[in-house]
Formats: sequence, C-alpha cells, structure tokens
Amino acid sequence: GNSVTQMEGPVTLSEEAFLTINCTYTATGYPSLFWYVQYPGEGLQLLLKATKADDKGSNKGFEATYRKETTSFHLEKGSVQVSDSAVYFCALSRGGGADGLTFGKGTHLIIQP
Amino acid sequence: NAGVTQTPKFQVLKTGQSMTLQCAQDMNHEYMSWYRQDPGMGLRLIHYSVGAGITDQGEVPNGYNVSRSTTEDFPLRLLSAAPSQTSVYFCASSSAAGTSYEQYFGPGTRLTVT
Repeated sequence: GNSVTQMEGPVTLSEEAFLTINCTYTATGYPSLFWYVQYPGEGLQLLLKATKADDKGSNKGFEATYRKETTSFHLEKGSVQVSDSAVYFCALSRGGGADGLTFGKGTHLIIQP
Repeated sequence: NAGVTQTPKFQVLKTGQSMTLQCAQDMNHEYMSWYRQDPGMGLRLIHYSVGAGITDQGEVPNGYNVSRSTTEDFPLRLLSAAPSQTSVYFCASSSAAGTSYEQYFGPGTRLTVT
C-alpha cells in the first residue's frame, strides 16, 4: 500500500540556517505529492505541491522536487525565519485523489533567533 | 467564502456518550474526508466520501459513522465514545476537477473522552 516516511523531529535550527526535511514515499502509479504546514493551534495549510516527476513545487521560499527515481520529495529552504516554526507534513494522493491523502508523521521545526 | 468549517472547536465527552462532529464546505467540492491526528502518528483517514450518498472506510473507521446527504455537509458520528478516541479531528474537502487532488482542511475539533 501507499506510505510516506519523513524525518522525525524536533528539528532545531538557528535563524537564517538552511533547512532540509527529508521525505520518501511508496506508492503505486503516479501520485501527486504535497507538503502541508500546521502552525500551533491551527489546521493544515497547503505549502506546496507537485503532480508529476521532476516537477518543482515552491512557495514562501520553500521548494521541493518530485524525484521518481529516488521516490523522494525533500523540503528545502535557503534561510529560515522564526515564523517558519511549525509542524510540516509530507503527503501523497491516494488512488485518483477521491479517497484522501496518506500522510507522514510530521516534522516539528523549531527556529531559534 | 468560508472554506471548510467545523463545529465544535472543543468537546469533552464521558465514555459511552455519543456525539456528532459537524463539517461543512462552501466550495462545491465533490470529495470530503475525515482524519484524526494523534501525537507522533500524523493524520490518519477515518472515512471519506466521493459525493452525496456515497461514503467509504479509510484506515481507522472503527467506532465512527458517516453519512453524506448533501454536497456541502459531512458529519462524523461517534456512537459510543471511548478514551481511545481522544484526538484532534480534521475534515477536508477537494475538487474532482484537475489532477492535483490537494485537500483543504478545516480548523479541527479537539475531542477529549474521559
């Protein structure tokens, strides 16, 4: 079946550091891939997405590239800010998208000033 | 455009009580889903619906019922609450159009069962 594995945190970085959060997946067919972000006390917001191999999703300085050969979708940001502190979830579409998403367990990111 | 709304935001139940978590969306999305979020577990799919009158089980359906009588609403019912159902519950919707299948999430309901 489908599954998503992401590095578990917490990940603690200093402001302006480079960020990588690893995500690998197992899926049949050609899933769409997503990164969602959850700020304290809130629901999940879509951060970025990629729908086919070699696509690069980007938003708010974050990037991730859909690598089918390594089944990966690693999240990167060149210079993190304190406001980036949140929980980040990697996810993939199940089947044709009608039956929900499969999520990783989440990575808690803490940025210190 | 309110997006996906959920009520209540917080709820405390005693073991054995029943309740319904409400979810509504105003985006005319065909697909709706319920997830639960537990520490260290990510989000797990409880039930989903591909349209009015059509529902199916997800990864963790036991103890929960759903129905979908309209496109807009997708309530989740706990028939006899158990402490293991203490969790944060998220409703989500997505459109059948296109190919990206991104889901839009509600703000969540935090449920405690004592």
